[in-house]
Amino acid sequence: RKEVEQDPGPFNVPEGATVAFNCTYSNSASQSFFWYRQDCRKEPKLLMSVYSSGNEDGRFTAQLNRASQYISLLIRDSKLSDSATYLCVVNIRTGFQKLVFGTGTRLLVSP
Amino acid sequence: GAVVSQHPSWVICKSGTSVKIECRSLDFQATTMFWYRQFPKQSLMLMATSNEGSKATYEQGVEKDKFLINHASLTLSTLTVTSAHPEDSSFYICSARPPSAVTDTQYFGPGTRLTVL
Repeated sequence: RKEVEQDPGPFNVPEGATVAFNCTYSNSASQSFFWYRQDCRKEPKLLMSVYSSGNEDGRFTAQLNRASQYISLLIRDSKLSDSATYLCVVNIRTGFQKLVFGTGTRLLVSP
Repeated sequence: GAVVSQHPSWVICKSGTSVKIECRSLDFQATTMFWYRQFPKQSLMLMATSNEGSKATYEQGVEKDKFLINHASLTLSTLTVTSAHPEDSSFYICSARPPSAVTDTQYFGPGTRLTVL
């Protein structure tokens, strides 16, 4: 079983749509959580950290459920520029810090 | 945000040659840098954690004699792929975490695309 699991997609949505991505993690030593965005053939870039209380950054809302080991990302009013792969990332501390990446969920926003 | 650079951005080499990739933190000192590898349509996989002034810590399954890591200064880590073979062709990405970071975020370099013929 993968440590971080995501639906690979692709999610094809029209501009203006609301889309939600889910992610589950299996390692109980997971301590912090992130969503990264990766464009084709580029490095991943931090989109936002994820907290149990839920957090929002503009059109993006992230939520963490530690009991269910579940992370979500909601994108409202999708833009063409949101097309990318969204990576669910978990920071695991077992002596050393280690980021574990999901395979990503691909989003395609069309006009 | 913090800036991390990598050089070269892409490289094509013949099988059996060695390739060195540099990772630099440009505006902060990084005692720890990380090296990842990403194959097409797969997730980033941590290869090793590079610690300034000490030996790197390799993930299970990563050959330390094949992937040589040197973290000689607080702003530079290098990854050398020795005797590269076609199966080593991949996207290699480094990252660094500023020591003063409030969270565990890492800043990623732009990556190096290695193609071994």
